[in-house]
Amino acid sequence: KAGVTQTPRYLIKTRGQQVTLSCSPISGHRSVSWYQQTPGQGLQFLFEYFSETQRNKGNFPGRFSGRQFSNSRSEMNVSTLELGDSALYLCASSIQERGTDTQYFGPGTRLTVL
Amino acid sequence: AQSVTQLGSHVSVSEGALVLLRCNYSSSVPPYLFWYVQYPNQGLQLLLKYTSAATLVKGINGFEAEFKKSETSFHLTKPSAHMSDAAEYFCAVSPRAGRRALTFGSGTRLQVQP
Repeated sequence: KAGVTQTPRYLIKTRGQQVTLSCSPISGHRSVSWYQQTPGQGLQFLFEYFSETQRNKGNFPGRFSGRQFSNSRSEMNVSTLELGDSALYLCASSIQERGTDTQYFGPGTRLTVL
Repeated sequence: AQSVTQLGSHVSVSEGALVLLRCNYSSSVPPYLFWYVQYPNQGLQLLLKYTSAATLVKGINGFEAEFKKSETSFHLTKPSAHMSDAAEYFCAVSPRAGRRALTFGSGTRLQVQP
């Protein structure tokens, strides 16, 4: 079974621009979560989508948004990019296994904001 | 609120030596616990998870972790380190109910000396 795929893998943008990142979950997984990883703040939860609905949201400004499509694929969007948005953005898809949601991560999209 | 503390941001061992990476959690109710590994320029790979079925959990690549409620710990061990184990390791926690987002520790970078 194919793993979580994320596109693009690398992205360079300038301040003020917006960006859209894409994530395709493992087949059969209906939940998709997004995380931001930076050297200073570590791994932080952005949001989670399940059946096209945002189920959880982390403590990020409204410039960060996402959506999920009927095929469970998800996109996240960051508007008005700031230098501090430079990070590795990780997507994870999950499925309930023995009563627990186990999250499986993609390779990430490395965003550099200049 | 839940939190995770990983003692030691860097750990160095010799090849063949015991690996011990420490993780302590803070939660009013024992949560679900996970260990992930991240190799350079890659996403997170699940090593093992604790869901209360057994306190000693065996994972991939020879790693195991023991849940100790009295010590609120979930330390990761491997009897004999291999060069390929050099990576960053993250302990994570999620609640048993409600929000399922993962809260990560700050990570421990494992170096394996020849």
